[in-house]
Parts: sequence; C-alpha cells; structure tokens
Amino acid sequence: DAGVIQSPRHEVTEMGQEVTLRCKPISGHDYLFWYRQTMMRGLELLIYFNNNVPIDDSGMPEDRFSAKMPNASFSTLKIQPSEPRDSAVYFCASSTPAGTQYFGPGTRLLVL
Amino acid sequence: EDQVTQSPEALRLQEGESSSLNCSYTVSGLRGLFWYRQDPGKGPEFLFTLYSAGEEKEKERLKATLTKKESFLHITAPKPEDSATYLCAVGVLGNEKLTFGTGTRLTIIP
Repeated sequence: DAGVIQSPRHEVTEMGQEVTLRCKPISGHDYLFWYRQTMMRGLELLIYFNNNVPIDDSGMPEDRFSAKMPNASFSTLKIQPSEPRDSAVYFCASSTPAGTQYFGPGTRLLVL
Repeated sequence: EDQVTQSPEALRLQEGESSSLNCSYTVSGLRGLFWYRQDPGKGPEFLFTLYSAGEEKEKERLKATLTKKESFLHITAPKPEDSATYLCAVGVLGNEKLTFGTGTRLTIIP
C-alpha cells in the first residue's frame, strides 16, 4: 500500500492567493482527518470526515478555510484568501473505525 | 476538556543511556492512548496503542506503559537513530478525534 498521499509537498504563495491542498487516503479507510502543525500550537485537528461526510469541523480556524471530500479517495483543504499566519505544515491522516490514524508526509505551506 | 501534557520538552541522552518520556492526560473516557514518532520533515509514524491501565507494549528498544493518569515511553540503550520527536495522543470514547501533546524532542548523542 502506498500510504496516505499528499500534494503538493511544498507550497509558497503570496498573501491573498488561494491555496488548495490535496489528499488521497489509504484505500478502505472510512475516516479522513486534516491537521495543522506549528511550533507554537503543535498538531491540531482541523476537520474530519466519515464516509465522505464532514463530522466535526470545530477546529477550522475561520471561514477562509474549507474542506471537501467528493469521493472516498480524494479530499481537498482550501484556504482563500491565504494569510501569513496560515504558514504551517498541513497533514492528512486516515483510519478505519476506532483504528489507528496513519499520516501522510505533509504539505509545508509558506504564505509571504 | 481533554488535555495531554508531555514532558520533558527536550531530552538529550548519550548512546546507551536509558530514560523515560512522560505523557499525562485527562480525558472523559479513554478510547486509547497512542504513541507516534516524528522525524524532521515527515509525518507522524505510529508506534503503539494502549487501551487500559496496566497494559504494556514493546517494540525494539521502546516500551510503552499506561496508568489511569499517564503513560511512559521507556527507551532502553538508545541509538542515534532513535533521535526524533515522540508524540502522544488520546482518543475519547464515542468519537474518532485524537488530542495530541506537544511532543518530546529526543536527541541521542553517539
């Protein structure tokens, strides 16, 4: 199995631009999670999906952030417009019910 | 509110010098306590899940233990390749969310 796949691995953009992060979960996993990691706040859960349906988005920082999961093998996290404080590493993870979460390699985002 | 506190923040050990990392937690109903290892520039890599007090799990030089209030990750005779940040997380009964601690950055000096 290829594991969780994320793209791009690195993204540099200017303030105000739209950013789209992509994730392909492990085949057969029903749950998909988006996290953000910073030095100050550590690893924070943004949103998670079950069978493509958003279950808990209480960690999404503000309306500039949105996430979708159009099918079982693809999810996006979009930031529009981006701000310098959004600079962080964004991770996607997937799991089976009550199972272990397996993480992707992350997308390192820098907003100038 | 579920809380996870890890200590120390950073730990430097000589190769072969055994030690322990601590993870203290408060949670309404524990579904599981998870240990991950994270190398620089990579995603967290799963190590162990512990489900109930008294449970222990081992993998190579690592052993994880669990009480009702905390978990320890014991590292025996570490090698430089054990250098990484170790994260613990708790899962709560009734949902799939994990709450992570801020991690312990472990450095093993040859």
